[in-house]
Amino acid sequence: DAGVIQSPRHEVTEMGQEVTLRCKPISGHNSLFWYRQTMMRGLELLIYFNNNVPIDDSGMPEDRFSAKMPNASFSTLKIQPSEPRDSAVYFCASRPLRFGARGEGETQYFGPGTRLLVL
Amino acid sequence: GEDVEQSLFLSVREGDSSVINCTYTDSSSTYLYWYKQEPGAGLQLLTYIFSNMDMKQDQRLTVLLNKKDKHLSLRIADTQTGDSAIYFCAESAGGYQKVTFGTGTKLQVIP
Repeated sequence: DAGVIQSPRHEVTEMGQEVTLRCKPISGHNSLFWYRQTMMRGLELLIYFNNNVPIDDSGMPEDRFSAKMPNASFSTLKIQPSEPRDSAVYFCASRPLRFGARGEGETQYFGPGTRLLVL
Repeated sequence: GEDVEQSLFLSVREGDSSVINCTYTDSSSTYLYWYKQEPGAGLQLLTYIFSNMDMKQDQRLTVLLNKKDKHLSLRIADTQTGDSAIYFCAESAGGYQKVTFGTGTKLQVIP
């Protein structure tokens, strides 16, 4: 399996522009997470989906952020309009909802991240 | 809400043992994890432990859990330069619940 795929890997944009980050989870995983990592705040959970349904979006900073999961193999995180304080590394992770022996189903698999710089 | 805390930095000499500590607040935590993040990469699961266990060993890694004090530690024996990374402690109540991550501990291994 190719693992969790994120695109783009790097994004540089100007303040006010729309940014769309993309994620393809591991095939067969039906739980998907979006995280943001910065030096100041560490790793923050933004939103997660189970079976394509948003379960908890309390970590989404504000209305400028939105996330969708139209099907089991694709999710987007959109920032519109972007601001310099949105600069961070954004990670997508996926997890199977089935539970194997000894908790293997609890493991999250992370993508390589998208490094976003908003000027 | 859930809270997971770690010290920010640890420096050890190559060949020594490293011990990274973590405290958590959620008494309903069922699974406790250690993740490793190398520079420029995503997080990778190192090991996990059930809350009804107090120790788990996996090659050079030893995880100790004190459920009463809500304290988790990761011991790396014979630390190598390749172990230099950020280590995240995390907890989950299980089921379909989210995982709460700590702030991460940056381990620096001095040759």
